[in-house]
Order: sequence, then C-alpha cells, then structure tokens
Amino acid sequence: DGGITQSPKYLFRKEGQNVTLSCEQNLNHDAMYWYRQDPGQGLRLIYYSQIVNDFQKGDIAEGYSVSREKKESFPLTVTSAQKNPTAFYLCASSIFGQGSNEQYFGPGTRLTVT
Amino acid sequence: AQSVTQLGSHVSVSEGALVLLRCNYSSSVPPYLFWYVQYPNQGLQLLLKYTSAATLVKGINGFEAEFKKSETSFHLTKPSAHMSDAAEYFCAVSDRTGGFKTIFGAGTRLFVKA
Repeated sequence: DGGITQSPKYLFRKEGQNVTLSCEQNLNHDAMYWYRQDPGQGLRLIYYSQIVNDFQKGDIAEGYSVSREKKESFPLTVTSAQKNPTAFYLCASSIFGQGSNEQYFGPGTRLTVT
Repeated sequence: AQSVTQLGSHVSVSEGALVLLRCNYSSSVPPYLFWYVQYPNQGLQLLLKYTSAATLVKGINGFEAEFKKSETSFHLTKPSAHMSDAAEYFCAVSDRTGGFKTIFGAGTRLFVKA
C-alpha cells in the first residue's frame, strides 16, 4: 500500500535535547512538507521541499531543521532552540507541479517535551 | 495573499440533522479549495476538492461543497449527520501560481449528538 509513515507515534523528551521525527513516503511524490498543529491554530508550515537536496523555510522554521537526501525521506529535527516544542507534528507529500497541490498526510507524531 | 476563515471553532448537530461547516477564502486568483477531515490523533484525510471543473463538488462519506465565487465561500454540507462524522474539519486553499503552498483554516470541530 502506498502512503506516508511517521514514527514514532508518541515521543517524549527532556527540555534541552534535540529530537528527530521520521517521515517516509512511497508515493513517489516530489514535494514533502512538515506542519505543526496546536489546538485552535490549524496547521502551520515549518519546512517544505520540492526536490531532493533542496528545502525552504515555512512560516515557523525557527528552532527546526530538515534534510532531504532521498526522495522518499524528509526527517525533521526539533532543536533545543525551539521554545515551545510540545505539539502534534504532521508530514505530508504532494506531486510537485500538479496544479491543485493535493496533499497526502501521515498519521502524525505527538511530541511532548518536559 | 491567500487566507482562509472558518466560521465557528465548534459546531454541534443532532444525529440525522443537516451539517453545515462554513469556509470563506481570500485569493487574488481563482484558487484550488479543499476540505480535509481529521479524527483524533490521526493525520488529515481529503474529503473533497474544487479545481474549477464544477462548482458543486461531491466528496467521500456523503459530504459536498459548493464553490461560490461571488461570496468567496466554499461551505461543506451533509444532509444527514452520523455519529461517525464527529471529527475536526479543515478548509484549505492553494492558488494556481504558488503551486506548492497550501493555507489551512483554523479548523471546525463537529460534535454529533445522539
């Protein structure tokens, strides 16, 4: 089955530690995205990548980093510089160049930092 | 700049009643419009999308939405609510020039009473 996988489902970390969230897709999509979701705020774009070895900052990139070494993988690192990292993180992908940019989402990772 | 406004963070209906979730958008060019559904602790799933073919769009699970350019609206409806419809619903917009970036509304949580 084609789709997007995110692991782990739940992640707990101590304040001051960096943590990496995994996102893998087997849809052969060019574009991948990371969103952060907080209650009542919808989805906010952290980073996106349209092609391997290239990525751009979204609206709330501070305190986060990404890499895109392979087409199917787009890991997100939440660094200790992110002041309020506890949130639900969603990864998505789409066919780059398709006009509607319909996005397919993974199941999400809930990160709790204490 | 694009934007999306969802009227009402919470909507409550009785089982069997009409569901109406409101969405207004702002875009300088004719947009692509989407409705996504999210069940607790899961990713987003596409319900339906408008890509200019027909103004009345039918989606999964009996939902439909009508694009009204004069009102800049894309409201989601379902004639008869079911308990399984209880979830959070997101309206989203992407424009035909941007291609890669989608703007999401803040979401509307739908409650269905027995």
